[in-house]
Amino acid sequence: LAKTTQPISMDSYEGQEVNITCSHNNIATNDYITWYQQFPSQGPRFIIQGYKTKVTNEVASLFIPADRKSSTLSLPRVSLSDTAVYYCLVFLYNQGGKLIFGQGTELSVKP
Amino acid sequence: EAGVAQSPRYKIIEKRQSVAFWCNPISGHATLYWYQQILGQGPKLLIQFQNNGVVDDSQLPKDRFSAERLKGVDSTLKIQPAKLEDSAVYLCASSLDAPAGYTFGSGTRLTVV
Repeated sequence: LAKTTQPISMDSYEGQEVNITCSHNNIATNDYITWYQQFPSQGPRFIIQGYKTKVTNEVASLFIPADRKSSTLSLPRVSLSDTAVYYCLVFLYNQGGKLIFGQGTELSVKP
Repeated sequence: EAGVAQSPRYKIIEKRQSVAFWCNPISGHATLYWYQQILGQGPKLLIQFQNNGVVDDSQLPKDRFSAERLKGVDSTLKIQPAKLEDSAVYLCASSLDAPAGYTFGSGTRLTVV
C-alpha cells in the first residue's frame, strides 16, 4: 500500500510562495498524486491531482518528477486564509479509487 | 452542484449508547466512503461502497460499527455500543468512478462521555 511522507508543519508569511514536498516511494503505475486542504471543523477539500510532470489550476501547482517518487505542491503568494492542514495522498486507482490519508502538513501563514 | 450532506452536525452521547449518522452523497456519485478523524490525525477510512455494495470494510470495527447504503444513494453509519475512543469526526465522501477528487461533507462531530 502506497504511503506518503510529508513535513509535519511549515511556517510562512503572507505573499510568499510555499512549496510542500511529499515522498511516495512505492507508488504504483496507475496511481495518482492528490492533495487536499482541511480547515478546522470542515471536511478535507480537493486542491489538485496529477499523474506526472506539472499540473496547474487556479489555486495551486503540482510538480511531479519523472520517477514519481515525490511531488511538490506549490501555493503562490499565500494569504492568512491559507492556514490549514495539507494532505498528500496517493489515489489508488487499481484499488477502487481508495484514498489513504497520512498525518498532513500544518501550514501556518503569518502576517 | 450540491455538496455531500451529513447530519447531525454534532452529537454527544454517553458510553454504551448507540448513535447513527446519515450521509447524502452528490447525485450520480457511485462511490461513497466513511472516514473517522480523531483530533490531530488524518482521516482513517472505515468503509467504501460502490453503489450499494461494500468494496472495503477492512478497518471497520464490526463488533460495534455497521454501515449500509440503501439503493446506492444515502448511507448510514451506526455505532452500538459507543466507547470513549469513538469520539471523533465522522466524514462522508463521494466520488465518480474515475481518477477524480473526492468531495467530503462537513462531518459529524461525535463526543462520547
